[in-house]
Amino acid sequence: GAVVSQHPSRVICKSGTSVKIECRSLDFQATTMFWYRQFPKQSLMLMATSNEGSKATYEQGVEKDKFLINHASLTLSTLTVTSAHPEDSSFYICSATQGANNEKLFFGSGTQLSVL
Amino acid sequence: RKEVEQDPGPFNVPEGATVAFNCTYSNSASQSFFWYRQDCRKEPKLLMSVYSSGNEDGRFTAQLNRASQYISLLIRDSKLSDSATYLCVGGGFKTIFGAGTRLFVKA
Repeated sequence: GAVVSQHPSRVICKSGTSVKIECRSLDFQATTMFWYRQFPKQSLMLMATSNEGSKATYEQGVEKDKFLINHASLTLSTLTVTSAHPEDSSFYICSATQGANNEKLFFGSGTQLSVL
Repeated sequence: RKEVEQDPGPFNVPEGATVAFNCTYSNSASQSFFWYRQDCRKEPKLLMSVYSSGNEDGRFTAQLNRASQYISLLIRDSKLSDSATYLCVGGGFKTIFGAGTRLFVKA
């Protein structure tokens, strides 16, 4: 099956720093990539939808200036958490899809972000 | 109302039991439905797609009821390894996850 690689798997950083998370589709071209955040014992919350070469579409309540998404190619999307604060500590997961109808999703392995 | 709603559980069942989860969705335009399994601090993994005609894969059966706008997952002969959180997913262009139902299978 399709493989999505997400790095890093774990990040610990100081408050105020920026953290970049990469999501790569290794063996297919991802027309769309999604970024999610998951707090403990809660569901995946969609943060934004990213299409290659265009601006990401953010969900209501997600600050686009804080969570910068770049989707420069069909195989790479990045999420940058700018000026991270402890409340940004969470599990961030990306997913990618090949089809126009965004059917099957292929997930990265997730990034656990801890902001001190 | 949330777009996709699930009973969070937890469901505690003995090995060998049959357990069923339901999930309701509010967007009647939703086209695609899936069940995912998520283990703690891991990414979700696709368990099965859900079709109106029903979909069976070994011990797992999924059903879609468009009239009542719900999908279901039935697990027969539960195994210890089935312990996980089960997420139902619906949506068209934008995929919406349910909050997940936690299942604990005990010896």
